[in-house]
Amino acid sequence: EPEVTQTPSHQVTQMGQEVILRCVPISNHLYFYWYRQILGQKVEFLVSFYNNEISEKSEIFDDQFSVERPDGSNFTLKIRSTKLEDSAMYFCASSTRLAGVWDEQFFGPGTRLTVL
Amino acid sequence: DQQVKQNSPSLSVQEGRISILNCDYTNSMFDYFLWYKKYPAEGPTFLISISSIKDKNEDGRFTVFLNKSAKHLSLHIVPSQPGDSAVYFCAASPGSSNTGKLIFGQGTTLQVKP
Repeated sequence: EPEVTQTPSHQVTQMGQEVILRCVPISNHLYFYWYRQILGQKVEFLVSFYNNEISEKSEIFDDQFSVERPDGSNFTLKIRSTKLEDSAMYFCASSTRLAGVWDEQFFGPGTRLTVL
Repeated sequence: DQQVKQNSPSLSVQEGRISILNCDYTNSMFDYFLWYKKYPAEGPTFLISISSIKDKNEDGRFTVFLNKSAKHLSLHIVPSQPGDSAVYFCAASPGSSNTGKLIFGQGTTLQVKP
């Protein structure tokens, strides 16, 4: 069964450093997402991406965040200068949309980001 | 942002009995709802969804009920099994959205006791 994969599973970084989280969505999906879950809190939407551009972003997704689809398979989330409060589990997801009807989003296993 | 709320943080049921997980929403523009299950150290796994044109959707042991007037949905698991023990998230999306963004509730931890 196709699945979304994410690397690394755990990333530890120093405050102020740049990190890149990587995702490989399901191959025939066209819509890509990043969500995050701070420990003990709800899963929060960060950004959606379609046709090589951001289609929606949340207020969390400020200038420190960026997304990219550098090739036909990878989808990345970059945080330019990490802050302590960026420590969270980051989930990538992908989906399709057929005849205007959304299909469910498939989530990857997540990358745990720890900012020290 | 409390647009999707799961007011019960936890639920414990006996194996074989029914589990009922509840979810309330405030935004009348939501017209597509999903339930996800999440185990520790894994990503959310899709369980079942329902469109606002329906009031019930069933898939095996899982049934989702939607009451649009009350802005309430529930997930019924019958019979409950120990392997169902996980965190269950309700999520909603404006179906007319061009982005498919999901808004999640806080989650309910279900424990099914053997």
